[in-house]
Amino acid sequence: AQKVTQAQTEISVVEKEDVTLDCVYETRDTTYYLFWYKQPPSGELVFLIRRNSFDEQNEISGRYSWNFQKSTSSFNFTITASQVVDSAVYFCALSEVTGGGNKLTFGTGTQLKVEL
Amino acid sequence: SQTIHQWPATLVQPVGSPLSLECTVEGTSNPNLYWYRQAAGRGLQLLFYSVGIGQISSEVPQNLSASRPQDRQFILSSKKLLLSDSGFYLCAWSVYRVISSYEQYFGPGTRLTVT
Repeated sequence: AQKVTQAQTEISVVEKEDVTLDCVYETRDTTYYLFWYKQPPSGELVFLIRRNSFDEQNEISGRYSWNFQKSTSSFNFTITASQVVDSAVYFCALSEVTGGGNKLTFGTGTQLKVEL
Repeated sequence: SQTIHQWPATLVQPVGSPLSLECTVEGTSNPNLYWYRQAAGRGLQLLFYSVGIGQISSEVPQNLSASRPQDRQFILSSKKLLLSDSGFYLCAWSVYRVISSYEQYFGPGTRLTVT
């Protein structure tokens, strides 16, 4: 069975600090996809990034960066120079391809609070 | 561009009453559709998914059912609500592409309170 673990339940930082959100996954599939989503207080989940299991290159998008390490089954997310608007719950997810569709297994989320 | 709508946005219903939540997607054809529930706390639980009209897969046996009467319409229903059905219900869609694009896009959600 697939599993995603986000051990950090809540993180509080002061604005402009860097923060890393951890994600560890388990799967028996050789082909899989990993995702990060942001859930602001409004509730809607916002897609941030997709990474497939064959692409271990790290990715940077503005203040966001992702570190995918297959050897440790981790897909960590770093926010550089955090801002108050980054306050949200962040979910890591793992896909399972089945019958033409795909199901996502979500971690329990990390609540990030960025304070002035 | 694609958009996903859910309604109602909020709902307060008494125990034992019926439920109907609707989700529609615009700007895409033959999407995969999903219903999730987010109960107290933050975990997301997949309830149902559908890869086509009339095709529904249930992930968790419970008091709810889903239907897909049209290609881009997904409905979540219950004949008699329970207190435990309270939560935040999210609809999502994805499109399978040969070049591996599996992300799901979520609607704004419906906050259901059963009293």
